[in-house]
Amino acid sequence: DIQMTQSPSSLSASIGDRVTITCRASQSIRNYLNWYQQKPGKAPKVLIYAASSLQSGVPPRFSGSGSGTDFTLTISSLQPEDFATYYCQQSYYTDDFTFGPGTKVDFK
Amino acid sequence: QLQLQESGPGLVKPSETLSLTCTVSGASVNTDNYYWAWIRQPPGKGLEWIGMRYYSGSAYYSPSLKSRVTISVDTANNQFSLKLGSVTAADTAVYYCARHFGLATPSGLNWFDSWGHGTLVTVSS
Repeated sequence: DIQMTQSPSSLSASIGDRVTITCRASQSIRNYLNWYQQKPGKAPKVLIYAASSLQSGVPPRFSGSGSGTDFTLTISSLQPEDFATYYCQQSYYTDDFTFGPGTKVDFK
Repeated sequence: QLQLQESGPGLVKPSETLSLTCTVSGASVNTDNYYWAWIRQPPGKGLEWIGMRYYSGSAYYSPSLKSRVTISVDTANNQFSLKLGSVTAADTAVYYCARHFGLATPSGLNWFDSWGHGTLVTVSS
């Protein structure tokens, strides 16, 4: 079974901060890695697909990188609307489209 | 504009079958390159993929739920459905329907590109 981990599990940051979230897969998933943002009481929405491709309509302060087993999501300058929980998800192994446990970003 | 809307009972008794429907508007469920998926989220916890189906029949299910899950696509009504049998309290969650793009494309790169608002299903007697 493929396992996805994220670090940190939560972080506190201020407006304008650069924020980096890490996702690690237990086996290589090439670039089959997606990032989602979920705000309280709302459905998740895709931010980044294929590790580094920005979904249409998502602000360019969001970026993704990585390949193989290690990936990062970076928010270059945190905005008030970015306080949310972020999930990575692998899409290489089709027997289980596993999500990471999530990283909660809140206000310092 | 694509919209997905979940519907179904909010309360299910233990050992019974949970049944939900997702009504799709703004797109057709028999469009190439899109699977139709269900994902759930227990209260206060993370996301769990349940499974998904292509309009022509191909389907993928979570190994941990496979024995209890059926997902079907109704092209006539532009809907897709989830049935989860023998439910317990552990199946209490917000259930999301979602559209999944890409698995059937040449690159195979794929992701969940649109989600419903979600519906809370509680399993309790």
